[in-house]
Amino acid sequence: GAGVSQSPSNKVTEKGKDVELRCDPISGHTALYWYRQRLGQGLEFLIYFQGNSAPDKSGLPSDRFSAERTGESVSTLTIQRTQQEDSAVYLCASSMTSGRSSTDTQYFGPGTRLTVL
Amino acid sequence: DAKTTQPNSMESNEEEPVHLPCNHSTISGTDYIHWYRQLPSQGPEYVIHGLTSNVNNRMASLAIAEDRKSSTLILHRATLRDAAVYYCIYASGGSNYKLTFGKGTLLTVNP
Repeated sequence: GAGVSQSPSNKVTEKGKDVELRCDPISGHTALYWYRQRLGQGLEFLIYFQGNSAPDKSGLPSDRFSAERTGESVSTLTIQRTQQEDSAVYLCASSMTSGRSSTDTQYFGPGTRLTVL
Repeated sequence: DAKTTQPNSMESNEEEPVHLPCNHSTISGTDYIHWYRQLPSQGPEYVIHGLTSNVNNRMASLAIAEDRKSSTLILHRATLRDAAVYYCIYASGGSNYKLTFGKGTLLTVNP
């Protein structure tokens, strides 16, 4: 079946502009996650959605970052007034269950490479 | 944050076994150990996970030390397609979804 998809695959923007990144999770997956990966680094957790529960936003680095998810479908990550340090690959993942079990597996999309000039 | 320690890089020859080590000395008794890998220009993909017993699947085997402070991912016959960054991770403290990926081990496979 179809995996997690993300769009756009690449985004180049100018400093100060807003960008919106999209994630389509695997159908039926209730949990959705956003991560950031800077060049040569590991992944940083950003935000977690589970069903209709309040999202865990504890990983968002500043109030310029926000994310939404409608039900158990598409999610968008918005970065306002982009800065050069926002340049990174933004990865989305989904999992079949809540993600709160130690055995849950996350399925990742290919990521969106964001470059802020 | 759940902390694991892995070598920065390892090299292997094609068709040979590869043993990728990981130390996780602060792991608790109920935390599963997960391995993911990230091929170039792709998102991470799940490889295997385990709790106490050794585990096998079509991709790899996972050997877990008796004290659970370390584990080893075993690729029985490395192929060029196995060249990737391998991450050993666990989540704890009730926030199991907050996977903390370190820098992992960059595996190079020589033809």
